Amino acid sequence: DSGVTQTPKHLITATGQRVTLRCSPRSGDLSVYWYQQSLDQGLQFLIQYYNGEERAKGNILERFSAQQFPDLHSELNLSSLELGDSALYFCASSVTGESSYNEQFFGPGTRLTVL
Amino acid sequence: AQKVTQAQTEISVVEKEDVTLDCVYETRDTTYYLFWYKQPPSGELVFLIRRNSFDEQNEISGRYSWNFQKSTSSFNFTITASQVVDSAVYFCALSEIQGAQKLVFGQGTRLTINP
Repeated sequence: DSGVTQTPKHLITATGQRVTLRCSPRSGDLSVYWYQQSLDQGLQFLIQYYNGEERAKGNILERFSAQQFPDLHSELNLSSLELGDSALYFCASSVTGESSYNEQFFGPGTRLTVL
Repeated sequence: AQKVTQAQTEISVVEKEDVTLDCVYETRDTTYYLFWYKQPPSGELVFLIRRNSFDEQNEISGRYSWNFQKSTSSFNFTITASQVVDSAVYFCALSEIQGAQKLVFGQGTRLTINP
């Protein structure tokens, strides 16, 4: 158990809908990363937050957004869902996410299925 | 831009055989980190190893060993005397040392160990 929790574990929804994925980082970790694992794109970085602020952005679609709250949990919002958004979404957390190595601890993932 | 290539999409061997998973990377950074992760059928990402780019020493951990060669931009992973429990998808990844340290993953190699 990495200490990172993600809810829900599974999510099934329809095209055009909006969903929210939730991540609680390990206690003491300030940085949260979101990754998407899909059949088409593989495992790719979406976005990083550090202590409530956006730090880095990857291949995140405009229909997707994220935020990190004062208690450091993070939410990834996916809207106008398309079939291609079906994927396993991972959250990872690290202590700081800047200079000197900070290991990323991965959550178990949320499997999103868009029908 | 950073890129990781795992040319072997799938490998299938018989138990007790040795198997090597190849990883080639591209980066303009002079210092960086390299990783291997394992994703068993249950879906979680399991951290295996991290190497710093200025440490080219090979590493052995039980039946696992890693061969890092900066001259060829390769970071190969060998499992000796493979076991059925080694069956999983294995990902090689790269990250910068400074900044966000987001992970750039290869496409993964699906390893099947047959009894």
